[in-house]
Amino acid sequence: AQSVTQLGSHVSVSEGALVLLRCNYSSSVPPYLFWYVQYPNQGLQLLLKYTTGATLVKGINGFEAEFKKSETSFHLTKPSAHMSDAAEYFCAVTAGYSTLTFGKGTMLLVSP
Amino acid sequence: DTGVSQDPRHKITKRGQNVTFRCDPISEHNRLYWYRQTLGQGPEFLTYFQNEAQLEKSRLLSDRFSAERPKGSFSTLEIQRTEQGDSAMYLCASSLSKDPAGNTIYFGEGSWLTVV
Repeated sequence: AQSVTQLGSHVSVSEGALVLLRCNYSSSVPPYLFWYVQYPNQGLQLLLKYTTGATLVKGINGFEAEFKKSETSFHLTKPSAHMSDAAEYFCAVTAGYSTLTFGKGTMLLVSP
Repeated sequence: DTGVSQDPRHKITKRGQNVTFRCDPISEHNRLYWYRQTLGQGPEFLTYFQNEAQLEKSRLLSDRFSAERPKGSFSTLEIQRTEQGDSAMYLCASSLSKDPAGNTIYFGEGSWLTVV
């Protein structure tokens, strides 16, 4: 069984500040990890993913995430927030070729 | 580049009526998924197909829900005798089972259902 915990249902940052969205996972087998972004009334867009290999993965829009097996974490970061980053972010886990299990999401609020 | 397409995008129906949603996956993808998302929650898995075979169903998928993928291409999700608790966004997604980069799942824009 797999599960995802996203710490903080809302995160507020100022434009230009560091963005850090936290994700911890539980998986009985080596996981594949994903971050998706969802804008209001839209579907989910893939930001980045970790499958195997390099533990620091880079995604679209300047986001990156680091897989830390010892901490069972896959936190999402961006050095400098932009107003257009305001959205809901979901962390998800899958064990290879099975279905995705999502966290409850973190709403990112960006103030000018 | 045609992504996952869902229709209709929005549906308002009266309690007790039946509704059907359609999903067209990315053309070369053989896996198709249905998820449900309610306000303030992450998407929850309902069911998935590999080609035309329905391989897994969540216990969330009550007997009022039925999904089909008759020719291994598009899929339909039907909800019979809708209840107010069915109000949610229904997300369709697709993937390639032999994706060498891991099972990346691509989502559609979703179909909003409001039951009044």
